Amino acid sequence: QKEVEQDPGPLSVPEGAIVSLNCTYSNSAFQYFMWYRQYSRKGPELLMYTYSSGNKEDGRFTAQVDKSSKYISLFIRDSQPSDSATYLCAMSAGTDKLIFGTGTRLQVFP
Amino acid sequence: GAGVSQSPRYKVAKRGQDVALRCDPISGHVSLFWYQQALGQGPEFLTYFQNEAQLDKSGLPSDRFFAERPEGSVSTLKIQRTQQEDSAVYLCASSPRGGRRTEAFFGQGTRLTVV
Repeated sequence: QKEVEQDPGPLSVPEGAIVSLNCTYSNSAFQYFMWYRQYSRKGPELLMYTYSSGNKEDGRFTAQVDKSSKYISLFIRDSQPSDSATYLCAMSAGTDKLIFGTGTRLQVFP
Repeated sequence: GAGVSQSPRYKVAKRGQDVALRCDPISGHVSLFWYQQALGQGPEFLTYFQNEAQLDKSGLPSDRFFAERPEGSVSTLKIQRTQQEDSAVYLCASSPRGGRRTEAFFGQGTRLTVV
């Protein structure tokens, strides 16, 4: 079993929808949680960075971490076609090495 | 440019050939990482440098893989005697600090195809 599990999708939603992306993990030592967006043939782009449990909001994006359930989420409000990409969760125990999920492909159609 | 730069963007190698992949991190960034991303998968950690010191190479899949960062800035990932299973995108990332903060910024990657 992988340390980080993420549904690969694809997830297809209409423009304006609220999107929920999720990851579960097994290593209770993880303290740092990130979400990256990766467009086709591009490198991952950091979207959100959270330390420990709680919520963080940045524009249309909200990241949630529930360490008791070993579950993290990324919500995208008012989704746009330009949000169509692969979303990768990543986490670290503070050793600098990031452990990534497999990524969820999101398609937002007009 | 202000971002992480990798070259070449694409590399086709014949099986058995040696390749060298280059990474120019963001200026002043202390930490540098190499990741390997297979098709349809998330990146997997290969190795980590803090300045010129290679602090973790636990992810290198075999002794055919070698990385260096001799002056604490540019890094090279070398793969000897390439095999088909080495085909992947090789991503470089840098971070402004060492230690526990891990906001890593990625380059566009080098897509390696071994034929």
